[in-house]
Amino acid sequence: QLRLQESGPGLVKPSETLSLTCTVSSDSISNSNYYWGWIRQPPGKGLEWIGSVHYSESTYYNPSLKSRVTVSVDTSKNQFSLKLSSVTAADTAVYYCARHDRTYYFDSGAYSEYFQHWGQGTPVTVSS
Amino acid sequence: QSALTQPPSASGSPGQSVTISCTGTSSDVGGYNYVSWYQQHPGKAPKLIIYEVSKRPSGVPDRFSGSKSGNTASLTVSGLQAEDEADYYCSSYAASNNLVFGGGTKLTVL
Repeated sequence: QLRLQESGPGLVKPSETLSLTCTVSSDSISNSNYYWGWIRQPPGKGLEWIGSVHYSESTYYNPSLKSRVTVSVDTSKNQFSLKLSSVTAADTAVYYCARHDRTYYFDSGAYSEYFQHWGQGTPVTVSS
Repeated sequence: QSALTQPPSASGSPGQSVTISCTGTSSDVGGYNYVSWYQQHPGKAPKLIIYEVSKRPSGVPDRFSGSKSGNTASLTVSGLQAEDEADYYCSSYAASNNLVFGGGTKLTVL
């Protein structure tokens, strides 16, 4: 059974960089069929996709966060990571990592995308 | 403000059916058959229950079904059970390589 586990500081100061890591178990992060993604959920609010990475280091990001986000992969450790710079209180949220099933269909010229496996989530508070 | 619009709440009695809507535009829901739905219980991670508008992952009861018409996708829960009480989120591929979620709907089983 695929397992994902987020880790990282639970408290980050405003203007600093939030850094989280997701460790993948029972599957190889080098599986070419999948991307690996980050999604967040502010307290009492809905879900927001942040960005995703493929083992080949191909990445793509939510346009609204792109200027502040870096998602990277470490195949030797079967991990992928999130860095979000210049954080403010608005970045306070539960951060989830997930396996991002992403399939391109030529007939539609678009991607089927969904998250079938999720980590338990880790809360991050931005405060001085 | 979320990219996809969902009603904030929905409710039904045990055994009844309830439908939750998810409205987007021709650049997301209306343009592609790549809508997915997630169920989230309090304090838990979301769980995928529908993908590609109407497909169910293995292990998801057939009480959950999805459909789409124009720019609106729908999730129907039939034969409501107490454990269906949760938040439900829709998601869709969006043009220009983006992925958007709805604001979520809280389903109450009366």
